[in-house]
Amino acid sequence: EPEVTQTPSHQVTQMGQEVILRCVPISNHLYFYWYRQILGQKVEFLVSFYNNEISEKSEIFDDQFSVERPDGSNFTLKIRSTKLEDSAMYFCASSEGAGVLQDEQYFGPGTRLTVT
Amino acid sequence: ELKVEQNPLFLSMQEGKNYTIYCNYSTTSDRLYWYRQDPGKSLESLFVLLSNGAVKQEGRLMASLDTKARLSTLHITAAVHDLSATYFCVIQGAQKLVFGQGTRLTINP
Repeated sequence: EPEVTQTPSHQVTQMGQEVILRCVPISNHLYFYWYRQILGQKVEFLVSFYNNEISEKSEIFDDQFSVERPDGSNFTLKIRSTKLEDSAMYFCASSEGAGVLQDEQYFGPGTRLTVT
Repeated sequence: ELKVEQNPLFLSMQEGKNYTIYCNYSTTSDRLYWYRQDPGKSLESLFVLLSNGAVKQEGRLMASLDTKARLSTLHITAAVHDLSATYFCVIQGAQKLVFGQGTRLTINP
C-alpha cells in the first residue's frame, strides 16, 4: 500500500541552525501539507501546497519557514534559523485532490526535531 | 474560525467498561475524522463521517455525527488494553485539518 515517507526520523540541531525536513508524498497525490505537534499537545496545521504554490498557511508559518517541491517526488520544509520552541514532531501529509473523498490526508511517520 | 473541543482530555478506565469521548466543533464542516495516535507514532485514521446521523463502527469503537448539534462521539465498548492511545477529533477545513486537543485514553487491566 502506498505511504508517505519522511526523513530523518529524528533530527537534533543547535539553535540558530537551518534544518530541512524531507517528505516523499504518495506518488499520485497533488496536495501536500505540513503539520507540527509539540510534545503532549495537539497537532497544528502549518502549510498546504498545491501546483508549486502555498495555498494556505497558518500564523505559525512565518518567514523562518519555507516549503519546496524540488523535484517530482520530494516535498521539503525548511526552517531557516531554528529556535528552542521549534522542537516538535513534524508530520507531512498528502492528498489526492480537493474534493470530497479525494482530500483525505495520509500522514507520514513524522520527524522529531530537537533544538538545543 | 474552526475550533474543535474534546472532552475529556484524559480518561483512565478499566478493561471491560464502556465510555464515550465527546467532540464539539464551532462551524459547519464537510466531514469529521477520528484519528488514533500511539505514543511517539504517527496518526492513524479510524473513521470519516460525512453526513448528519452518520454512524461507523470498527470493532469496539463506534463513531457518530450530529451536524445540527456540531457534535461527534467516539464510543468504546468493553474496552481492552490495546485501545490505550490518544484519540483526536479532526474537522476538515478548506485546505487543512483542524485537530482537537486529543483524549489520552489509558485502559487498565
